[in-house]
Amino acid sequence: DQQVKQNSPSLSVQEGRISILNCDYTNSMFDYFLWYKKYPAEGPTFLISISSIKDKNEDGRFTVFLNKSAKHLSLHIVPSQPGDSAVYFCAASAGTSYGKLTFGQGTILTVHP
Amino acid sequence: NAGVTQTPKFQVLKTGQSMTLQCAQDMNHEYMSWYRQDPGMGLRLIHYSVGAGITDQGEVPNGYNVSRSTTEDFPLRLLSAAPSQTSVYFCASSQRTSTDTQYFGPGTRLTVL
Repeated sequence: DQQVKQNSPSLSVQEGRISILNCDYTNSMFDYFLWYKKYPAEGPTFLISISSIKDKNEDGRFTVFLNKSAKHLSLHIVPSQPGDSAVYFCAASAGTSYGKLTFGQGTILTVHP
Repeated sequence: NAGVTQTPKFQVLKTGQSMTLQCAQDMNHEYMSWYRQDPGMGLRLIHYSVGAGITDQGEVPNGYNVSRSTTEDFPLRLLSAAPSQTSVYFCASSQRTSTDTQYFGPGTRLTVL
C-alpha cells in the first residue's frame, strides 16, 4: 500500500522553463512534507519542506505547494537549469510518529539546455 | 566534517551469508536511519534510532538487525542474506527527528547471489 505516490516516473523540460513535480498521499495523518533531490551514485539531499499549517513555502527557485483537501503537493522549479537534472523524491511524516518518513517512488527530471 | 560515512561502497554476498553495513556520523545527531532503494519503490525505511540505546522498526525490517551503542554509529546487520535483499542501502542522520533535515551517506550497493 503506497501511501505516498509520484505518478510521473519522468519529466523532461527545457532550460529556463518551469518544472512541476507532483506527489499525492493517502494518509490523512501526514502533516509534514519534504522534497529530496538525488544525483546518480550519491545520497539524497534535502531540498525544501512544508508543514500542513501552510499551503506554500518558497526557497529561491523552489516552491512547494500543499493542497490538503486534495492530498496533493507539488514542487515548482523556476527557472529550471540543467544542474537540476536529478531524481526528486517527496516524503511525508505523521505528527504522532516523527520517527518514520515515507517516501514516494521518485521522479526523474531532465532539464535540456 | 566527514558527515555521514558508509562502508563498504559495494558488496557481493552469497545467499545465506551474513554481513554488517557500517554507518557513522560526526555531527552529534540523535536520529539515525537506514533505507533501501529499489527501482520503482523509492526509499523504504528499514530501521531507525532516536538516540543511543533506542531503535525501532521501519517499513521493511524483516531480515535486518540494528543496534545503537554510541551516538556516532548505527550498523545494519543482514543475518542470512537473500536475493531479495539486493538493493542500494542508505544511512542517514538528523538532529532529532525524521523531519529535521536528514543527511544521507553515499550508499552501499549490495548484490546477493
